[in-house]
Amino acid sequence: AQSVTQLDSHVSVSEGTPVLLRCNYSSSYSPSLFWYVQHPNKGLQLLLKYTSAATLVKGINGFEAEFKKSETSFHLTKPSAHMSDAAEYFCVVSEAQSGGSYIPTFGRGTSLIVHP
Amino acid sequence: DTAVSQTPKYLVTQMGNDKSIKCEQNLGHDTMYWYKQDSKKFLKIMFSYNNKELIINETVPNRFSPKSPDKAHLNLHINSLELGDSAVYFCASSQDLRSWNTGELFFGEGSRLTVL
Repeated sequence: AQSVTQLDSHVSVSEGTPVLLRCNYSSSYSPSLFWYVQHPNKGLQLLLKYTSAATLVKGINGFEAEFKKSETSFHLTKPSAHMSDAAEYFCVVSEAQSGGSYIPTFGRGTSLIVHP
Repeated sequence: DTAVSQTPKYLVTQMGNDKSIKCEQNLGHDTMYWYKQDSKKFLKIMFSYNNKELIINETVPNRFSPKSPDKAHLNLHINSLELGDSAVYFCASSQDLRSWNTGELFFGEGSRLTVL
């Protein structure tokens, strides 16, 4: 069985400072891991993904995440926050089910607040 | 051109009524989904259709009935609406059932349902 825990429901940073959004997962097999972003009143958009290739994954808008199997973590980082980064961020784990399909499990989201 | 479009964007109705939300994708994808996002931003899959065939039917009350007239459309009909049905409902599409391994899911902007 798979699960995902986002350790912070809210993260508040100042513009120009680093961002760290934490995610831990549990999976029976080799999972695929994703970060999605949801801006206010919008649908979710894929930020980046890990699918068993390089453990350090780069995404859009300067975000990156590192897959650490020993720590079962997939934390999202960005060196310098921008006002436009303010949004809800979801960590997602997905593993193969019988029949070849994949069912994702979403974290409960982390709200990133960026102060001027 | 919007890839995944949902209508209506907002829906306010009384308890006991029946309502529908429509979803269309113009990406040529085989697989479509309905997700429910509650007031705490928790996102949960409800249904998945692949080429008009129901694949995933999570523990959703049978008052919810998805209908897929063709693979570009997946509509959600809800009977006898209850207060707890108030949420944002997201439609999404992907190339196929394995797309959760690659994370290439495309979301609509959501339909906010308020039941009074």
